[in-house]
Amino acid sequence: DARVTQTPRHKVTEMGQEVTMRCQPILGHNTVFWYRQTMMQGLELLAYFRNRAPLDDSGMPKDRFSAEMPDATLATLKIQPSEPRDSAVYFCASGFTDAPNYGYTFGSGTRLTVV
Amino acid sequence: GIQVEQSPPDLILQEGANSTLRCNFSDSVNNLQWFHQNPWGQLINLFYIPSGTKQNGRLSATTVATERYSLLYISSSQTTDSGVYFCAVERLRLGSARQLTFGSGTQLTVLP
Repeated sequence: DARVTQTPRHKVTEMGQEVTMRCQPILGHNTVFWYRQTMMQGLELLAYFRNRAPLDDSGMPKDRFSAEMPDATLATLKIQPSEPRDSAVYFCASGFTDAPNYGYTFGSGTRLTVV
Repeated sequence: GIQVEQSPPDLILQEGANSTLRCNFSDSVNNLQWFHQNPWGQLINLFYIPSGTKQNGRLSATTVATERYSLLYISSSQTTDSGVYFCAVERLRLGSARQLTFGSGTQLTVLP
């Protein structure tokens, strides 16, 4: 089965450090999302790319978060500097939205702990 | 934005029992998916079902788009079915960005 691959699976870092999370979408998918999951807020959209172009990052704290898609096989989410409130599970999802029937496939997530 | 409500919030079953999970949404949708988040945190796609009925083994789902709800049926539940079940919907609007809006989930515990 095709899958979305996220690395690392777990990350523990100290406050103030830079964190980079990576996502390899399913080959051929043209849409990529980054979601964050916390107990309090549930699953929230952070950023959305279509054909590698960032179309919506309104859910992302701009001062410290950045999302990029340098090529079709890699999406990155960076936090600099990290803060304890960033502790969460970060999910990447991909889909092919040019087809009439589609669904999104999620990666296994990166569990981030900022101490 | 679109609202997604799931019920019940928590469900405890004995192994072998059947269950029905419900998802109500506040507007017409183009995409509806059911996900299972297992105890390891993985989000597993169960169904893409904006309308109609689908079945996959012991699981089936029905979406009645005109009445804005979807049901997930789990028959002969097993302990491995434990976890959180999420409903997520997407409404496409011209000029608007895409996103899946998630419900708050149903926490299912299946006891041996």
